[in-house]
Amino acid sequence: SQQGEEDPQALSIQEGENATMNCSYKTSINNLQWYRQNSGRGLVHLILIRSNEREKHSGRLRVTLDTSKKSSSLLITASRAADTASYFCATDAFGTSGSRLTFGEGTQLTVNP
Amino acid sequence: EAGVAQSPRYKIIEKRQSVAFWCNPISGHATLYWYQQILGQGPKLLIQFQNNGVVDDSQLPKDRFSAERLKGVDSTLKIQPAKLEDSAVYLCASRGANYGYTFGSGTRLTVV
Repeated sequence: SQQGEEDPQALSIQEGENATMNCSYKTSINNLQWYRQNSGRGLVHLILIRSNEREKHSGRLRVTLDTSKKSSSLLITASRAADTASYFCATDAFGTSGSRLTFGEGTQLTVNP
Repeated sequence: EAGVAQSPRYKIIEKRQSVAFWCNPISGHATLYWYQQILGQGPKLLIQFQNNGVVDDSQLPKDRFSAERLKGVDSTLKIQPAKLEDSAVYLCASRGANYGYTFGSGTRLTVV
């Protein structure tokens, strides 16, 4: 079963605008990760935020985590056409079978030139 | 370090045929995962290995899917017989220290 739900399912913006994607999850986690996937390609790791962190930055990316609300957001600032891709949040939780990533259904971001 | 290698890159088969995918994880990564990603959806875990042992195959359709990881390194995922709904990208990932997961480029399977 999917752990996370992402919102919105699709987002279309103009180049230079900011893009915000949200993720909600259900169970306790060790960390939450965001991935990008270009059409037909593999998953590219973007950023990881641990359960004891509230905010993290990497270049034009800003991730927040609210464990009390079981939610996270990914902000991409000053978007570029090359940012067009699907973005997935994935929760890393340690269960009886060890750690594994559970993905949401993703947000399809389109950045128009 | 080298990435996770997967082959083939693409495969087209007819329904009821069999198919096998191969994965070579990053050297030293003890944990290996197979995910199925249907078009428009997020990846879903099929099976998880720790070294050469299965730790979770609860989401693997065992009537048609099988997987093994001999010697705790390479892994193969097999589908026999394939159904139309098995059309998807099959992703292999391995996990190292510090929560680092690395994904391969995937095998895109089309069942016709």
